[in-house]
Amino acid sequence: SQQGEEDPQALSIQEGENATMNCSYKTSINNLQWYRQNSGRGLVHLILIRSNEREKHSGRLRVTLDTSKKSSSLLITASRAADTASYFCATPLTYNNNDMRFGAGTRLTVKP
Amino acid sequence: NAGVTQTPKFQVLKTGQSMTLQCAQDMNHNSMYWYRQDPGMGLRLIYYSASEGTTDKGEVPNGYNVSRLNKREFSLRLESAAPSQTSVYFCASSPTSGSTDTQYFGPGTRLTVL
Repeated sequence: SQQGEEDPQALSIQEGENATMNCSYKTSINNLQWYRQNSGRGLVHLILIRSNEREKHSGRLRVTLDTSKKSSSLLITASRAADTASYFCATPLTYNNNDMRFGAGTRLTVKP
Repeated sequence: NAGVTQTPKFQVLKTGQSMTLQCAQDMNHNSMYWYRQDPGMGLRLIYYSASEGTTDKGEVPNGYNVSRLNKREFSLRLESAAPSQTSVYFCASSPTSGSTDTQYFGPGTRLTVL
């Protein structure tokens, strides 16, 4: 069963604009992770935010976590054509990676 | 340093055929995983190996078997392939099985079962 669900399913923006993707989950978590997948490739880890953190930055990425609403958002600022990819949130149901649940992803297209 | 490698990249099987997907990592990771990715769905865990010598079922293990051959290699076997197993299969590894450990993914195997 899916734990995380991303919104929107697809997003198309112009280069230079910001892209915001949201993730909602169902159960309590100890951390939430965002991954990126380029077409035809494996997933690449972007950022992890722990349940006691509200916001985290990494380069042009900003992730927020609201545990009261069971939701997270990923903001990519000043997007580039190379940011075109699918983005997934992932939440472990336990304290192990053995029970990681991924959402269906947001497909981001950045037009040059 | 190749990271996580998978073979083959593509495979077409007929219903009832068997095959083994191979995965290897060169990062000295303890934990390894097999996922499948279907259109419109996130990755779903098939089997995992928390450490060398151990394997356990994930969310969708039916129709699959695994072998943790050594610390580097983790294979996934389909004994009698079915069309429902048409999917993209990803192998991943992480330093430990802790949920804060980053998982590193291979490039995937695209499997079609006719």
